[in-house]
Amino acid sequence: GQNIDQPTEMTATEGAIVQINCTYQTSGFNGLFWYQQHAGEAPTFLSYNVLDGLEEKGRFSSFLSRSKGYSYLLLKELQMKDSASYLCAVLDSNYQLIWGAGTKLIIKP
Amino acid sequence: ETGVTQTPRHLVMGMTNKKSLKCEQHLGHNAMYWYKQSAKKPLELMFVYSLEERVENNSVPSRFSPECPNSSHLFLHLHTLQPEDSALYLCASSQDGPAGSTDTQYFGPGTRLTVL
Repeated sequence: GQNIDQPTEMTATEGAIVQINCTYQTSGFNGLFWYQQHAGEAPTFLSYNVLDGLEEKGRFSSFLSRSKGYSYLLLKELQMKDSASYLCAVLDSNYQLIWGAGTKLIIKP
Repeated sequence: ETGVTQTPRHLVMGMTNKKSLKCEQHLGHNAMYWYKQSAKKPLELMFVYSLEERVENNSVPSRFSPECPNSSHLFLHLHTLQPEDSALYLCASSQDGPAGSTDTQYFGPGTRLTVL
């Protein structure tokens, strides 16, 4: 079967750095998405990786290793507004999105 | 308005009621999706429409009935629901897809549904 694993919950301190991991086992791979979802709001697109390596967008970076079936989202200089759930999703060989259950990130002052 | 909008934002209904959820996208996209989001579970894809034709139905119970009258509007008609159907129902759209598409999906804020 197809599976996406990510931690259920993480806690970090304002101003610090946090890494949210995502591992996947899917039938084929056509890219990996990260979304941010604040409580009661729409998931919003953060990044899309299809090639190995690190892509940086301001305070957020996303890394992909296809050979290891692994990605992480790196958040730097954490702010209170970064408290949210972070969803990892993989596009399989049929271009169907396989979703993880999300990681709830709690930022403490 | 911009993006993807959904109404109502909250809905409480009894098991014998009939209600409809509405989604509208203002992005000029050709594909629209219904998802179910339950606490601590992955998003579950329910229905996909591409150019107003249903292209995917992931074994969803018949008490959920989608309708896509045009590429900008999507409805989910609900009847005789069960308490376990209580969840956040999200609508999304993408430029094309889903077949052969890596297009990003853009989500609405969802309808929080409670079935009593």
